[in-house]
Amino acid sequence: EAGVTQSPTHLIKTRGQQATLRCSPISGHTSVYWYQQALGLGLQFLLWYDEGEERNRGNFPPRFSGRQFPNYSSELNVNALELEDSALYLCASKVRGQGLDTDTQYFGPGTRLTVL
Amino acid sequence: AQSVTQLGSHVSVSEGALVLLRCNYSSSVPPYLFWYVQYPNQGLQLLLKYTSAATLVKGINGFEAEFKKSETSFHLTKPSAHMSDAAEYFCAVSDRGTGYSTLTFGKGTMLLVSP
Repeated sequence: EAGVTQSPTHLIKTRGQQATLRCSPISGHTSVYWYQQALGLGLQFLLWYDEGEERNRGNFPPRFSGRQFPNYSSELNVNALELEDSALYLCASKVRGQGLDTDTQYFGPGTRLTVL
Repeated sequence: AQSVTQLGSHVSVSEGALVLLRCNYSSSVPPYLFWYVQYPNQGLQLLLKYTSAATLVKGINGFEAEFKKSETSFHLTKPSAHMSDAAEYFCAVSDRGTGYSTLTFGKGTMLLVSP
């Protein structure tokens, strides 16, 4: 079974530009989560999508946005990039619902975003 | 709100020695708890997860964790460290109480294994 995939692996942008990151969940998973892992800040929750809707977002400004497509893949967009946006962005997926098995998130390899 | 505390940002052990990585949590409801491992330049891999059926949980690669409600702890152990265990380990609690199913992570513990 294929795991969560993310593209691109690496992305280099300059300040003020926009970045688009992509994520494909495990087959059968309907929920997609995005996390930011910046140096020294640990893993911070960004966004949660389920069934095409944004269900929850972390403490990030509105220039961090995204969407989920009918096939449950997801896109994270970061507008007006700032130097501190440089980080590893991790996507995770899970099956729908609540419960131990349905609360288990499976992670992709991440996209390393570097803002110059 | 849930929170997770991992004691020690770095833990150093010798190959063959016991590994003990500490995790304490706070949660308003009975928690779902997880340990993930992250190898350099990779994503997170699920090591194990807590089920209410047993307080001692066995995971992959010889790791196990014990849930102690009275101590609000979920420490990760492995009897004998291998060089390949060198990685960063994250403890996480599921935010079940709000119904949002998000994970709150600890800051991580880097495990260093020396020959």
